[in-house]
Amino acid sequence: GAVVSQHPSRVICKSGTSVKIECRSLDFQATTMFWYRQFPKQSLMLMATSNEGSKATYEQGVEKDKFLINHASLTLSTLTVTSAHPEDSSFYICSARGTGQFVSKNIQYFGAGTRLSVL
Amino acid sequence: DQQVKQNSPSLSVQEGRISILNCDYTNSMFDYFLWYKKYPAEGPTFLISISSIKDKNEDGRFTVFLNKSAKHLSLHIVPSQPGDSAVYFCAASPQGGSEKLVFGKGTKLTVNP
Repeated sequence: GAVVSQHPSRVICKSGTSVKIECRSLDFQATTMFWYRQFPKQSLMLMATSNEGSKATYEQGVEKDKFLINHASLTLSTLTVTSAHPEDSSFYICSARGTGQFVSKNIQYFGAGTRLSVL
Repeated sequence: DQQVKQNSPSLSVQEGRISILNCDYTNSMFDYFLWYKKYPAEGPTFLISISSIKDKNEDGRFTVFLNKSAKHLSLHIVPSQPGDSAVYFCAASPQGGSEKLVFGKGTKLTVNP
């Protein structure tokens, strides 16, 4: 139980293109989803929090026009990195928190992450 | 300003012995604490949590201890197994876990056969 699927696991793109990353909760309803970024040997840095049906709340220093987040349903959130540049290369991880038979309401369950490389 | 600190970047133990991972926090509003385990190129996996109303929570080989006065928590793994080798993140949250998590930088545990 409590499976969060993140796709793609790895993406390589050219500078200036946009990349969409999907995060799905497979067996529970994700009322809240989170997007993190992890730099090598560093902690997970929260980028934004999204609640289903409402606009995402971005952390200080995160450009909302560059990192577009959509949480259109209780099982799906997407992160779009617009006009990607080499400095956007990183490991992006989503997590979900919600309700269901297999989840505890205050636990965030994580996807496997997406390695983005911008050439 | 790092609110959650894991001061040991790495720890090496022998199989069968106890692993103790430590975590300190500075924000007195934190009242819910979690440990996650992470393998390379994967997302973190939830291990165990503890609320500030408790000082100990146990789940199989994993026990988390919370010392509120010292703002310190620790994760004990007994007995340690090679499959436990991973990076362990401590995370904290106010409001009983309903707010966002703040993560430490992680401790890489290596369990040697």
